[in-house]
Formats: sequence, C-alpha cells, structure tokens
Amino acid sequence: AQSVTQLDSQVPVFEEAPVELRCNYSSSVSVYLFWYVQYPNQGLQLLLKYLSGSTLVESINGFEAEFNKSQTSFHLRKPSVHISDTAEYFCAVSDLGNTGKLIFGQGTTLQVKP
Amino acid sequence: DGGITQSPKYLFRKEGQNVTLSCEQNLNHDAMYWYRQDPGQGLRLIYYSQIVNDFQKGDIAEGYSVSREKKESFPLTVTSAQKNPTAFYLCASSMGQRNEQFFGPGTRLTVL
Repeated sequence: AQSVTQLDSQVPVFEEAPVELRCNYSSSVSVYLFWYVQYPNQGLQLLLKYLSGSTLVESINGFEAEFNKSQTSFHLRKPSVHISDTAEYFCAVSDLGNTGKLIFGQGTTLQVKP
Repeated sequence: DGGITQSPKYLFRKEGQNVTLSCEQNLNHDAMYWYRQDPGQGLRLIYYSQIVNDFQKGDIAEGYSVSREKKESFPLTVTSAQKNPTAFYLCASSMGQRNEQFFGPGTRLTVL
C-alpha cells in the first residue's frame, strides 16, 4: 500500500525568506507525484507534478520540487516567499496502475509573516 | 469556461436526514472522485468512477452513496448511516487514470 507523509503540519516563515515543505512517500511501485495548494474555503489547485523525465519540476509562481527516488521524497521549495503564498499545501502520490487514485498527505500550512 | 462546479457551497442539515451534494464538470473528463477533508487529516477518498454507470468504493465509503448516470455528473448522497458527516467535501475529475485531478470549490456540510 502507498502512503504519504508530510513531516511538518505548520511552517511559519517571514516574507522573502526561503522555504521547504517536506514530503516523503512509501510505495512498492513507480509513482506519479503531485503538489496541490489550497486557499481557505476553496478547492485544491495543482501546483506542480512529476510524471517522468527530469527530476526537478517547476511551477509558474516560483515553486519547485525535486523527485528523489532513493530517499522517496518530493520536497517543495521556494527561494523567496510572499504573503500571498500563505495556504495549505498537499503532497499526493498516484501509482502507475489502473485506478488514478491519489493518496494525500496530511497537509502543511505555510504561514508567511510580514 | 471549463471547470467543475459543486453546489451548494454551504449546507446545513439535521441529524438523521439524507443529503445530496452536487458535482458537475464540463471538461469532458471520464473519471470523477469524491473526497472528504477534515482538519489535520488531508483528503480521504470516498468513491470514484472511471466511466459512466460504474463506480468503486474508496477508503471511507460507509454511509455514502453515489451514482454516475451521466458523464458530466457525479452526485454524492450522505446518508443517515454516516456517523460523523460534518466535513468539507471535494469533488474532482481527471481525463484518465494517468492524469492529474482537477478539483471543484467544495461543499461544507454541517449536520446539526
């Protein structure tokens, strides 16, 4: 069975500081990996994804994540955060099988302070 | 604009009543999903459907029912058998089993 662990439930950081949100997964098969962002009382929006190819993937708003197969990790990073990045972030894994189901981590709340 | 709509945004019901949450998509996606979100627990899969007239139980299907009579629609019924129904419910869809899921805005259900 697959599982996803987000190691930090809350990450407070000052504006313009760098941030890393950690995600580790467990799976016996190859996987797809995703990061979603959720603003208060809204649905989830896809931030970035790893399907294959380059292990470093980037989003349009400055976030990046690196797939590390040996460490089974997919940590999310941003070199300089903005107030508007305050949200909850979810890491998710999907196997390459036939269901398309996503397994989500518990979420990490990023709190950007002025 | 293409997207997923969920209605209503907020829903209040008395204990013991069944309630149906709506989910519609105009993305022409084959697969649709229902998740439940509780604070600190991430999202948990209730039911999913990969094709019209077919659906499968997810991890927490007890006390819920679904139907998939049309490709665009995947309503979720929260029955009186669901012991703790108060939660935020999210619907999602995807083109197929290997594509990312797109989410609706959610319905917050409160059972009084």
